[in-house]
Amino acid sequence: AQTVTQSQPEMSVQEAETVTLSCTYDTSESNYYLFWYKQPPSRQMILVIRQEAYKQQNATENRFSVNFQKAAKSFSLKISDSQLGDTAMYFCAFEDSGGSNYKLTFGKGTLLTVNP
Amino acid sequence: DAGVIQSPRHEVTEMGQEVTLRCKPISGHDYLFWYRQTMMRGLELLIYFNNNVPIDDSGMPEDRFSAKMPNASFSTLKIQPSEPRDSAVYFCASSPRLAVGDEQFFGPGTRLTVL
Repeated sequence: AQTVTQSQPEMSVQEAETVTLSCTYDTSESNYYLFWYKQPPSRQMILVIRQEAYKQQNATENRFSVNFQKAAKSFSLKISDSQLGDTAMYFCAFEDSGGSNYKLTFGKGTLLTVNP
Repeated sequence: DAGVIQSPRHEVTEMGQEVTLRCKPISGHDYLFWYRQTMMRGLELLIYFNNNVPIDDSGMPEDRFSAKMPNASFSTLKIQPSEPRDSAVYFCASSPRLAVGDEQFFGPGTRLTVL
């Protein structure tokens, strides 16, 4: 079974600075997708960024980028120029691309606070 | 599109009562998921449907939980009888699953409190 580990329960950063959230996972699959979802205080889960394991190039979405290290099974999220609206719970998630089953496995989350 | 709609947003009930949570997925999405979020266990998949058919219910904690999807635009998650340990936020999500890696779109969740 796949597992997703986020080792940082809480983090804080000053506005306009850069912060990196860590995620590691365990799988025997060769192809899969990885995601970062954001859950602000409103509770709504929102997709931040996704990465396919076969793609070597790290995904980027505006101020958000990932550092995907397949051999190390590591998938960290970097937030540049942090904004107050980035304050949220961030979840790393794994989707197995193979087989007929379609399941997302989530990590326990990292609570990020952006301070003014 | 209004996104995934869940009702109620908050539910407070007493132990032993029946609870029904409702979800309307985004139109055209073939996949519907029910998740439970607690502090202790995080976000867990309870069950998911494809074209209204339950595909995997291995995450349903016990027989007190049941889920149905009578049509493409409506699903329910029922707990009968409810217990205090069922207190959690329950999310519904939908996806078109046109390709692997498609985003799941989440509803705002229902916060359930069982006294």
